[in-house]
Order: sequence, then C-alpha cells, then structure tokens
Amino acid sequence: AQSVTQPDIHITVSEGASLELRCNYSYGATPYLFWYVQSPGQGLQLLLKYFSGDTLVQGIKGFEAEFKRSQSSFNLRKPSVHWSDAAEYFCAVGQGAAGNKLTFGGGTRVLVKP
Amino acid sequence: GAVVSQHPSWVICKSGTSVKIECRSLDFQATTMFWYRQFPKQSLMLMATSNEGSKATYEQGVEKDKFLINHASLTLSTLTVTSAHPEDSSFYICSAPVAEWGENEQFFGPGTRLTVL
Repeated sequence: AQSVTQPDIHITVSEGASLELRCNYSYGATPYLFWYVQSPGQGLQLLLKYFSGDTLVQGIKGFEAEFKRSQSSFNLRKPSVHWSDAAEYFCAVGQGAAGNKLTFGGGTRVLVKP
Repeated sequence: GAVVSQHPSWVICKSGTSVKIECRSLDFQATTMFWYRQFPKQSLMLMATSNEGSKATYEQGVEKDKFLINHASLTLSTLTVTSAHPEDSSFYICSAPVAEWGENEQFFGPGTRLTVL
C-alpha cells in the first residue's frame, strides 16, 4: 500500500527566509505527486504536481518541488516566505486513473515569524 | 479554476440523527467525486469514491451503511451520515477531478464540519 510521510509536524520560519518541507513516499510504480496548501476556512489548493518529465516542478505562489526517485522524496521549497504562506501543507500521492485517488501525508503546519 | 462547493459548511446534530452533506461542482461536470474525512490537526483520509450512475466505492474500514453516498447527477454528490454518533464528528471534504492534457487536478470543496452531540 502506498504511504506518504511528512517528517515535520511544525515548522517556524522568519518572513523572508527560505522554506523547505519534506515529503517521502512509498509507492510501487511511478507516482503522481502533489503538494496542497490548506488555509483556515478554505479548501485545499493545489500548489504543484508531478506526473512525469522534468523532476523540478514549478508551482504557484513561488513554490517549487523536486522529485527524487532514488530518495523517494518530493520536497517543497520556497526561496523567500511571506506572512501569507502560514498554513498547513500536505503532500499527496495519487493512484488510479491519472492519480485521482489521493493518499495524503500527515501535513506540516508552517508558522511565519515577522 | 474549477469550483467545488459544499453545503452546509457546518452542522450540529443530536446523536442518532442523520445528516446529509452536499458536494457540487459549480462550473464543470464530474462523473467521479471523492469524499475525505479529516480529524482535528490530522490529515485527510479518503473515505469513498462517488460514481455518477453507479454505486460508490468505499475504502477499507469505511462502513458503507453508515456513510451513504449518492451521486445523483454530474454535478452533485451527497454524503449522508446515518445514525450519527459523537465519534462521527469530523471535517468532511469532497473533491472532484478536472482533466487537463491527460492529467487530473482535484478541486476541493471548503469542507463541512460535523459536530454530533
């Protein structure tokens, strides 16, 4: 069975500093990988996804992620965080038709210090 | 992007009653929708796949008689929590996929918070 691990439950970062969120997955085939952000009162929003091709994926809001098959990782990065980036971030693996069925990691809550 | 709505956004009910939650795709059609459950400060767990015109597919450990799913049309799926108990209190989220260039992107509803007293 597939699984997703986000080792960091909480991360606190200063505004303007860089951010990296870790994600490791376990999946037998080539994975469909996603990063979502969940803000209070709002639905999950897709930041970026990896299906195939270039292993460095650019997303919205200045986020990027790199797929490393050898490490079974899909870490999310942002060079300079903004206070509005404070939220819960979820990594997910998709299976089934075009990755429809998602298995989520436990999430990482990001706090941004002024 | 595509929009998925849920109604109600929150509901409080007494133990033993049934509660219906609606999930609508507002500007696209969805033959498949997905229902997730999220406990406080935890991740989302897939409960079931809602299929328009056929029975829902439930994940292992999810009681199909407890969580009734009906995909009445190409834009509406409903989740009914039957004979709700306090342990059913949770945040329920639906999603619907939109295919683009052979890749699916899931659009999520804002969620429904259920509190069973």
